[in-house]
Amino acid sequence: DTGVSQDPRHKITKRGQNVTFRCDPISEHNRLYWYRQTLGQGPEFLTYFQNEAQLEKSRLLSDRFSAERPKGSFSTLEIQRTEQGDSAMYLCASRGGYQETQYFGPGTRLLVL
Amino acid sequence: QKEVEQNSGPLSVPEGAIASLNCTYSDRVSQSFFWYRQYSGKSPELIMSIYSNGDKEDGRFTAQLNKASQYVSLLIRDSQPSDSATYLCAAARQLTFGSGTQLTVLP
Repeated sequence: DTGVSQDPRHKITKRGQNVTFRCDPISEHNRLYWYRQTLGQGPEFLTYFQNEAQLEKSRLLSDRFSAERPKGSFSTLEIQRTEQGDSAMYLCASRGGYQETQYFGPGTRLLVL
Repeated sequence: QKEVEQNSGPLSVPEGAIASLNCTYSDRVSQSFFWYRQYSGKSPELIMSIYSNGDKEDGRFTAQLNKASQYVSLLIRDSQPSDSATYLCAAARQLTFGSGTQLTVLP
């Protein structure tokens, strides 16, 4: 257990529904990252927060995706109008201060039917 | 060309052997490199980080970095069946991952 938690761990939804995932980073970490991982691939970067500011977004993050970190603590990732291609593991990671290492949460596995 | 490429797997080694995992990267600006281990259905866990040219050893694991050749490797000595997993190489701060190499250590 790295200290990063994610909720829910599994989500099954129907195409077209909205889903929201939550990530709680290690408490003293000010940097938070979201990644998506599909079967047989490495994680792909989606977005990055430093405190409450969203500093970078990948082109993978279409307009159906939105992420927030309102108080610089936990973060949410919302997917609107889900598509079957959104089925993946969504990973959150956090990093503190001048550390380079990111610590991953257990992930949320999404299945869109 | 992918930004981070790993040698194609899967890789099988007998128990007690040395497993060698390789990775090349295309962004010369990258300064930080990481090896993560991922068991099936689990999230990645950090094994090693390396920032300087040369070798870095931690127990049975040795990471090697050659910035001139844009090459990173991970050696696992005395491989154990519990080392069977997918090994992910990653570069830089917004981690760019390779697709991973699946390692199986045969008892």
